Amino acid sequence: QVQLKESGPGLVQPSQTLSLTCTVSGFSLTSNSVHWVRQPPGKGLEWVGAIWSGGSTDYNSALKSRLSISRDTSKSQVFLKMNSLQTEDTAIYFCTRSPGSYWGQGTLVTVSS
Amino acid sequence: DIVMTQSPSSLAVSAGETVTINCKSSQSLFGSVRQKNYLAWYQQKPGQSPKLLIYLASTRESGVPDRFIGSGSGTDFTLTISSVQAEDLANYYCQQYYDTPLTFGSGTKLEIK
Repeated sequence: QVQLKESGPGLVQPSQTLSLTCTVSGFSLTSNSVHWVRQPPGKGLEWVGAIWSGGSTDYNSALKSRLSISRDTSKSQVFLKMNSLQTEDTAIYFCTRSPGSYWGQGTLVTVSS
Repeated sequence: DIVMTQSPSSLAVSAGETVTINCKSSQSLFGSVRQKNYLAWYQQKPGQSPKLLIYLASTRESGVPDRFIGSGSGTDFTLTISSVQAEDLANYYCQQYYDTPLTFGSGTKLEIK
C-alpha cells in the first residue's frame, strides 16, 4: 500500500541547514509527484514545494531562495534542504503524494539554539 | 501567486446542523483544457495529517461520506457539510492546484456545540 514517511533532525540551530527525507513505498517517484507542506504549531498549512514525476521542481515563492528539493528514485526517497533557518521555520513538515490522497505523519522541526 | 481567501475562520454548530465554508481565489481556477476547477478541500483533525475530502472542486474522495459536498466554479467555492456530526470536529482548508506555487486558504475551525 502507499506510504510516506518523513525523517530528519528534530532540532536545528538558527542559520543552519535543514535536511529532511521522505521515504515512500507503494508507488513510483517517476510516475507521481511528491510535495512538501509545513504547518507551524497551532497555525495553518503552507505549501513548501514539489518535485514532479519528470524530476522538475517548483517552490513556494517566499522560500525558493533557501530551498532545494531533490530525489533518489532508486531509493524511493525525496529530499528537502532549506538553509538559513530561522525560528519562524519551526513547523511540522509533511510530505504528500499528489493529488493529496496520501500523507506522511509529519515530522516536527524546531529551530532553536 | 494565487491568494486563497477562506471564511469564516471559525464556527460552532450543533450536531445535525448544516455548515457552509467559503473559499475565494484571486484568479480563476478553471482549466479550459479539461473543463475542470483545480480546487481541493482538506480536513485536518487534531494531531493528524490532513485528509483529502474533495478534489476538482466537487469530486468526493473515495470513502468520504456524502454529507461532504463541494461546489463552485471560477473563483468562488463552497464546502457544505450537511447534518454535522461530532466526528467532524476539525480544521478545514481549501487549496488551489491550478498553478504553482500551490496555495492554501487560511483554514476554518469547526467546533461542535
